[in-house]
Amino acid sequence: EDKVVQSPLSLVVHEGDTVTLNCSYEVTNFRSLLWYKQEKKAPTFLFMLTSSGIEKKSGRLSSILDKKELFSILNITATQTGDSAVYLCAVANNNQGGKLIFGQGTELSVKP
Amino acid sequence: DAGVIQSPRHEVTEMGQEVTLRCKPISGHDYLFWYRQTMMRGLELLIYFNNNVPIDDSGMPEDRFSAKMPNASFSTLKIQPSEPRDSAVYFCASRGTEIGQETQYFGPGTRLLVL
Repeated sequence: EDKVVQSPLSLVVHEGDTVTLNCSYEVTNFRSLLWYKQEKKAPTFLFMLTSSGIEKKSGRLSSILDKKELFSILNITATQTGDSAVYLCAVANNNQGGKLIFGQGTELSVKP
Repeated sequence: DAGVIQSPRHEVTEMGQEVTLRCKPISGHDYLFWYRQTMMRGLELLIYFNNNVPIDDSGMPEDRFSAKMPNASFSTLKIQPSEPRDSAVYFCASRGTEIGQETQYFGPGTRLLVL
């Protein structure tokens, strides 16, 4: 059965800290891995990764995929209170029209 | 584009009543997904459509749940009869088919409370 596991499930840091969120997966016929940020509303798209070793970067956020070891990390540097959210990792497979399988999410809380 | 539109944004109803949730996908997107999110179970895919045709409804919890997509710009998720355990946030998402359009974009969600 396809599954996505995120760790840690929750994390509390102080402003300015750097955090690394982890996502491991077991998916038949992998297509892509996506990261979403969810505050108290709908998930919003951050990154889509399809190739190993190529870092995607957006401001203080970056992500990389390792298709051999079946995991991805999301890094946030110089965290701010506005980064507080649940970060969701999802994997799409080719078998089912790119249906997304979501992990449980990592709840990040950034304290001032 | 206005993004994915869902209505209503909030719904409070009594057990046994019929509930209908509505979704308008992003224009040009040919995949539409219905999700349910709860604290206990996280984000779960209920059903998805491609070109208005249901492709996978294995996530639909019971026969009380049904979904339709009569045309490319409208879908409904119906719960009849509703039960308190159906209380959740229901999201609709859509995406395109072309390379680079694989990201799913979520609507604002409908927060459902069944008393």
